[in-house]
Amino acid sequence: RKEVEQDPGPFNVPEGATVAFNCTYSNSASQSFFWYRQDCRKEPKLLMSVYSSGNEDGRFTAQLNRASQYISLLIRDSKLSDSATYLCVVNILNYGGSQGNLIFGKGTKLSVKP
Amino acid sequence: NAGVTQTPKFQVLKTGQSMTLQCAQDMNHEYMSWYRQDPGMGLRLIHYSVGAGITDQGEVPNGYNVSRSTTEDFPLRLLSAAPSQTSVYFCASSDVRGWVSRNEQFFGPGTRLTVL
Repeated sequence: RKEVEQDPGPFNVPEGATVAFNCTYSNSASQSFFWYRQDCRKEPKLLMSVYSSGNEDGRFTAQLNRASQYISLLIRDSKLSDSATYLCVVNILNYGGSQGNLIFGKGTKLSVKP
Repeated sequence: NAGVTQTPKFQVLKTGQSMTLQCAQDMNHEYMSWYRQDPGMGLRLIHYSVGAGITDQGEVPNGYNVSRSTTEDFPLRLLSAAPSQTSVYFCASSDVRGWVSRNEQFFGPGTRLTVL
């Protein structure tokens, strides 16, 4: 099983739609979870961290289910500017010393159409 | 602040050539890392450093060397370029307060490398 798996998409949605991305991770000891956004031919940028209790930032909601090792990102009222690739990121403790390093999913591409 | 800067933006090499990708950050971050991003593969960690004089290997270190003589700079050296090293290379930095992998990674704009 790959360490971080995402549906590659693409997700093609109209403006105003609600879209959900899912991600599963294999290391049950992982402690940190993030969603990064990457625009075409640009660097990844942090969208939001994912907390156990779930968290919301405007139109974006992230959820974590530790028992199922599952992370989700919900985008409400999609905008054209939301078009990007969304990367699920999880920390891995099995190398990199006590602090670990990050493992990136391959990303889910979102295209929001007028 | 310039954040994380990388040079060059684009590079074409012939098989067997060597070169150094430059990375610098002005945020006084102790942690710096190099990733490569290939189509369909996601970002993979090449090398990382938790401070000046300290480096370690990531997931795909073969064919690459790094050094960290200052907090600001973290160059990546390709020893003998191969077509399999054609990729987009991203440098990133983050704070080390608390747990490194809980902190936001700031990425440079990337270097697009083609090896013929």
